[in-house]
Amino acid sequence: GAGVSQTPSNKVTEKGKYVELRCDPISGHTALYWYRQSLGQGPEFLIYFQGTGAADDSGLPNDRFFAVRPEGSVSTLKIQRTERGDSAVYLCASSLTGISGNTIYFGEGSWLTVV
Amino acid sequence: KQEVTQIPAALSVPEGENLVLNCSFTDSAIYNLQWFRQDPGKGLTSLLLIQSSQREQTSGRLNASLDKSSGRSTLYIAASQPGDSATYLCAVMRETSGSRLTFGEGTQLTVNP
Repeated sequence: GAGVSQTPSNKVTEKGKYVELRCDPISGHTALYWYRQSLGQGPEFLIYFQGTGAADDSGLPNDRFFAVRPEGSVSTLKIQRTERGDSAVYLCASSLTGISGNTIYFGEGSWLTVV
Repeated sequence: KQEVTQIPAALSVPEGENLVLNCSFTDSAIYNLQWFRQDPGKGLTSLLLIQSSQREQTSGRLNASLDKSSGRSTLYIAASQPGDSATYLCAVMRETSGSRLTFGEGTQLTVNP
C-alpha cells in the first residue's frame, strides 16, 4: 500500500489476555518505529527497528511488551497479560532509513482498550 | 532527559487570524525538530522538519522557526482556516538517541468559521 498500515484499527480485550498488533510499513522502508499515545498526551517511544533487528528497545515499559520484525518488513507488537493501563493508541511509523532528516510516516494507529 | 513542552495546550481563534504555537525543549543537543498534525482518531502527518543547522522552514501558510541555543521553536500559521483545526505536535530527535523522537503533549487548535 501507499502508507503505513496497522491492524486491527480497534481492539477491546479483557484484562490478562494476550494481544498482537500488526504494522505493515511503506515498501522499502528499513526503519520501523512503535510509539504509544495515551489520551491527551504526545506519543511515547517504545522501540525502533533497523531491518530485522531492534536497534533501540529502551522505551518498552516492561517485559510484558515485545516486538518482532522477522523479515525486515511487517512488525508485530505483542503484549502479554494486558492491564487496564495498557489502554492507548499504538502508533507505528516507518522511514526510508534511520538517518536523521528522513521523513517519518505514521500509520493511523491501533486503538487498544483493556477492560 | 529530554523534555518537550508545548504552549498553549489549547487555542481557539476565528477564521483568518494569524497564530503562533510554541514548543520548548530542555536539551539543545538535537539533530532536528519536526512539527506534526494529528486529526481526531487519526495518525500523525509530518508538516515541517527543521535540521539543527537550519533556522526555519516554510510550507504554504506554515512557517516553523528553530532557535536551538535557547531550546525553542515556533509554528506560525497564516490566515487560519477551519480545516486547520487539529492537534499540533512538535517532536525533537536528540543527537544521542538514534532515531527516537520525543514529543510534546500538543496544542489543540480550533479555528471557528
